Amino acid sequence: DGGITQSPKYLFRKEGQNVTLSCEQNLNHDAMYWYRQDPGQGLRLIYYSQIVNDFQKGDIAEGYSVSREKKESFPLTVTSAQKNPTAFYLCASRTTGTANSPLHFGNGTRLTVT
Amino acid sequence: GQQLNQSPQSMFIQEGEDVSMNCTSSSIFNTWLWYKQDPGEGPVLLIALYKAGELTSNGRLTAQFGITRKDSFLNISASIPSDVGIYFCAGQLTGNTGKLIFGQGTTLQVKP
Repeated sequence: DGGITQSPKYLFRKEGQNVTLSCEQNLNHDAMYWYRQDPGQGLRLIYYSQIVNDFQKGDIAEGYSVSREKKESFPLTVTSAQKNPTAFYLCASRTTGTANSPLHFGNGTRLTVT
Repeated sequence: GQQLNQSPQSMFIQEGEDVSMNCTSSSIFNTWLWYKQDPGEGPVLLIALYKAGELTSNGRLTAQFGITRKDSFLNISASIPSDVGIYFCAGQLTGNTGKLIFGQGTTLQVKP
């Protein structure tokens, strides 16, 4: 089945630790995105990548880092510099062959930092 | 950052009723998208709108891209219990970055 896989579904970490969230897609999409969702709010863009080995900051990139070494994979690292890391993290991808092609989302990772 | 104004924030309706929600923005978008999110899951695309004035249906769902390109609405007819969830509008900025600006969501509850 083609799709976007995020793992793990739930992640618990102690404050001060870096943690990496996985996102893999087998849709052959060029572009990938990371969004953060907090209760009662819409999604906010953290980072995005339109091509391998290239990525851009979104609206709330501080305290996060990404890499895009393979087309299929776009891991997100939540660093200890992120002040409020507890949130629901969503990965998405899209084809860039069509200018307005919509984003398709994975099922998210819920990160809890205590 | 930018945000869309989505209303209402929540709705509690009886099964069989029709539902309407909308989004407005001060910015012009070239694409409007409507997503539904179930608890603990990722958003699922319901309808994509690409042209000002476009009216598109997907089963019991109908959405329109406003003529000014600054607003959109979503209607659900004859609601059923599985319509429960959070509905998000999203506007896509011009260019091909795929960056979306999301509304705050409308939480829909349906009473059987």
